[in-house]
This record gives sequence, structure tokens and C-alpha cells, in this order.
Amino acid sequence: QAQLVQSGAEVKKPGASVKVSCKASGYDFSNYGVSWVRQAPGQGLEWMGWIGPYNGNTKYAQRFQGRVTMTTDTSTTTVYMELRSLRSDDTAVYYCARDLITPRAWFDPWGQGTLVTVSS
Amino acid sequence: DIQMTQSPSSLSASVGDRVTITCRASQGIRIDLGWYQQKPGKAPRRLIYAASSLQSGVPSRFSGSGSGTEFTLTISSLQPEDSATYYCLQYNTFPWTFGQGTKVEIK
Repeated sequence: QAQLVQSGAEVKKPGASVKVSCKASGYDFSNYGVSWVRQAPGQGLEWMGWIGPYNGNTKYAQRFQGRVTMTTDTSTTTVYMELRSLRSDDTAVYYCARDLITPRAWFDPWGQGTLVTVSS
Repeated sequence: DIQMTQSPSSLSASVGDRVTITCRASQGIRIDLGWYQQKPGKAPRRLIYAASSLQSGVPSRFSGSGSGTEFTLTISSLQPEDSATYYCLQYNTFPWTFGQGTKVEIK
């Protein structure tokens, strides 16, 4: 069945960048997109953006525009989310979730989450 | 951005009780709403999409209703495994936004 497996936890200093991967399996990667959602410790969920199976098609939440880049590698069926100029309030668990080939918040299934800690 | 307001923020109910969670949108979103369940340390799980469509594999005691600005998630007979935080999500307008969550505890 469809599965998303994310990369491991990261610790970064303020101002640095982080790149989280999300490896897809069990479905036709070329027919689905992926969304990214984050959750700060003890807080709610926040949608960051969506990417189609090919890099040219993205939709980012305005508040992350200019700081986030989502990419795909169709040869390895892996999606990446890079967040730059990290701040302490970027400390969160970052989730990928399968979406449709056009953004529709399908969100099934989800990856297991990647904890990113930003600390000096 | 569209604001999604859930109520209550938390509730405590007994096994077998009927539980209702409400989600209000700051503007009309048709039926572009989903409900998610999240247990501690786990990724969210989709329960409902398009306001009232039950996700495959989700128990039938979960149901959703509403359109426009007011939506409800109902658990017809609360079970111990339903202890979790529940979130609504609007996907009518970018950026997609979640409610703040409702924590459901079992008495």
C-alpha cells in the first residue's frame, strides 16, 4: 500500500537551512502530489505547501514564500522540502502527506514526521 | 487567511457517549473541509473529506456534516481508542488552514 518514509531528526543553528526528504512507495508517483505540514511542539497543524510530481508545479503558503523550496526526484520517488534562514520558531515536526496531482488536501497517507530543532 | 475556529477546545466524555465537535469558518468554504485525528507522537489520520465523506477504513461511528461556514464531526458512540486531538482543515482557499484542535478525553 502507499507509504511515505521521511528522513531522520535534524538539529540546526539559527540562520542555517534544513532539507527533509520523503520517500514514496506503493503507488504511481507520477499521478500524485505531496503536501508538507508542520507542527510546533504542543501546537496545532500548519500547511506549508504542495508540490506536484514534477518540479515545475508548486504552491507555497505565502508566509513561507521565499524561504521554502519543494522539489521532487522522480527517479527515486522522493520529495524534498528545504527551509532556509531557520529561526527558533521553526522548531517543529515536519510531515509530508500524499496529495492529488492538483492540490486538493487529499492528505492520505502521511509520513512519520521529522523533528527539526533550531537552537544555538 | 480563512480562520477556522473549533469548539470546544477540549472535552471529557464516557465510553458510549455521543460527541460533537464544531468547526466554523470565517468565510464560506462550500464543502471543502476535512477532519483529522491525531494521537500523541503520531501523524494525523484523515477521517472525513468533502465535509461528510468517510475515509475508507474509518469506523462508521464517525460522521461529518455541514457546508458553507459551519461543520460538525460526530462520534456516535465514543470508544476508548477515540481519545485523541481532532482537527478540521479547510482547503477551499490558499493557504489551507487548520482549526486549533479539540482534545477528546475518556472519563
